[in-house]
Amino acid sequence: AQSVTQLGSHVSVSEGALVLLRCNYSSSVPPYLFWYVQYPNQGLQLLLKYTSAATLVKGINGFEAEFKKSETSFHLTKPSAHMSDAAEYFCAVIPGGYSTLTFGKGTMLLVSP
Amino acid sequence: DTAVSQTPKYLVTQMGNDKSIKCEQNLGHDTMYWYKQDSKKFLKIMFSYNNKELIINETVPNRFSPKSPDKAHLNLHINSLELGDSAVYFCASSPRTLNTEAFFGQGTRLTVV
Repeated sequence: AQSVTQLGSHVSVSEGALVLLRCNYSSSVPPYLFWYVQYPNQGLQLLLKYTSAATLVKGINGFEAEFKKSETSFHLTKPSAHMSDAAEYFCAVIPGGYSTLTFGKGTMLLVSP
Repeated sequence: DTAVSQTPKYLVTQMGNDKSIKCEQNLGHDTMYWYKQDSKKFLKIMFSYNNKELIINETVPNRFSPKSPDKAHLNLHINSLELGDSAVYFCASSPRTLNTEAFFGQGTRLTVV
């Protein structure tokens, strides 16, 4: 069975600081990995995805994530946080050959001035 | 040009009532889903349809009945609503059945009183 663990239900950073949101997965087959962002009262928007090509994936809004098979991790980073980045972030996995996303419990990113 | 649209956005109803949520996607995708997000923001797949055919039904009470009149529409009907059904319900679609991201609607916040 596949699963996703997001470390930290809340992460607080100052504007301009590095953003690091952690995601670890378990999958019995090579996975496809995703990060989504959810702004208040909105749906989920895809930030980026890993589909077995390059291990460093660049997404929208300056975010990127690196797939590390040895660590079973797919952490999300952004060099400099902006106030508009404050939102809930979800990591998700699809094991290869499957059809539905399994989500982590989400991490709320708080950005202070 | 809304890609995945759901109606209504908010739904408040009494216990025991029957209600429906409608979903339409204009992305030309073959696969559509219903996800449930609980009060702790946890997202879980409920149903998956491919080209009007049910392919996944994840341990959902049979009071929930999805219906797909065509591949662009996937509606959710809920009978005999219970307090525990209160949640945000998301419709989503994806371009393929396997190994692919989903595109989400804005969600329907259902409150059962």
